[in-house]
Amino acid sequence: GENVEQHPSTLSVQEGDSAVIKCTYSDSASNYFPWYKQELGKRPQLIIDIRSNVGEKKDQRIAVTLNKTAKHFSLHITETQPEDSAVYFCAASIGSGYSTLTFGKGTMLLVSP
Amino acid sequence: ETGVTQTPRHLVMGMTNKKSLKCEQHLGHNAMYWYKQSAKKPLELMFVYSLEERVENNSVPSRFSPECPNSSHLFLHLHTLQPEDSALYLCASRQTSGGYNEQFFGPGTRLTVL
Repeated sequence: GENVEQHPSTLSVQEGDSAVIKCTYSDSASNYFPWYKQELGKRPQLIIDIRSNVGEKKDQRIAVTLNKTAKHFSLHITETQPEDSAVYFCAASIGSGYSTLTFGKGTMLLVSP
Repeated sequence: ETGVTQTPRHLVMGMTNKKSLKCEQHLGHNAMYWYKQSAKKPLELMFVYSLEERVENNSVPSRFSPECPNSSHLFLHLHTLQPEDSALYLCASRQTSGGYNEQFFGPGTRLTVL
């Protein structure tokens, strides 16, 4: 089955800095890669996703890149703000049918003012 | 609100108790999922229901028993649990048709087994 590795497990940055979280996956058939943000005591919420037919996607301060050959994808957050502090999860799936997601272990991002 | 609700939000039970977790989605989705979230572990998929039929059971112990009476409701029946079953249990739903669609999560039930 699919295996997703995520690094780092914790990331501390100063407000205004950039943050990068990296994930690798094992199943070359995976074609859908979402990123979820989970604030303390709240539910995971989708912040951005990418399909395997594109290499990069951007939405304001967040961007995701995908390298299918190397089987890795990354989340980039620019101009970080304290409200970006949360746990971020990457996931991979074969995005058809009922589409189960395999999640990484999560990265706790702490943004200091 | 995301349209996925879970009750109760918190549950404390003894190892000999029987309890049920409830999930309801108001989004018209046709697939529902149970996940277990433990500290410092990835979200673990437990069960998947698609069109009210169980399509995946990820080697979950029989003390967890899911039930999906219709496409809007999902239950997780709990019986003789162990302390290591203490975790946040998350329900999610998704529409499987029309391409790649987001899984929407509920707020979770924080379960403590004494």
